[in-house]
Amino acid sequence: DTAVSQTPKYLVTQMGNDKSIKCEQNLGHDTMYWYKQDSKKFLKIMFSYNNKELIINETVPNRFSPKSPDKAHLNLHINSLELGDSAVYFCASSHLYEQFFGPGTRLTVL
Amino acid sequence: DQQVKQNSPSLSVQEGRISILNCDYTNSMFDYFLWYKKYPAEGPTFLISISSIKDKNEDGRFTVFLNKSAKHLSLHIVPSQPGDSAVYFCAASGNFGNEKLTFGTGTRLTIIP
Repeated sequence: DTAVSQTPKYLVTQMGNDKSIKCEQNLGHDTMYWYKQDSKKFLKIMFSYNNKELIINETVPNRFSPKSPDKAHLNLHINSLELGDSAVYFCASSHLYEQFFGPGTRLTVL
Repeated sequence: DQQVKQNSPSLSVQEGRISILNCDYTNSMFDYFLWYKKYPAEGPTFLISISSIKDKNEDGRFTVFLNKSAKHLSLHIVPSQPGDSAVYFCAASGNFGNEKLTFGTGTRLTIIP
């Protein structure tokens, strides 16, 4: 039974398109996150939500808009995709300190 | 500015021997440290953590040591097994819980049978 799941696993799209990545956790955690792993394999925080409220926004362009319909879901919508958005995006959730990660979504922008 | 650094991008260790992975940090506000293991095409998996009030935490074959004055931590794996081959990330956060993790760039560990 998957604890943190993401869909899709792979996403290939053209520049300028709008796309969404979905994340769901069944751990009962209050806090969810989005991280980006770039081409240099560097994992960096993008957003954090606690109980559907935005807590952290790490100077991410406003083309990226997270949406949390309930505390088990944190979706990431990206408008006007650019080549530099190509990366692996990881969703995570936590109760306190340890964060549990989803399998990642590899986004390729052509 | 890289606040968490793993200076060894790769490490090879004979099966059965000890693997030692190192991590340095610069931000003295970090109070909680974690190690994650990552296989290709999977998300990072939590391994072990340590609070800044401790200098050692052990869980089975895995031990994490923290030297707060040197801003240095290390992960020891003994004995190393082939299934330990993966990329290991060091991460740090504040001590209030539910805070962002700041990750190092990872060390690829290869266990040689």
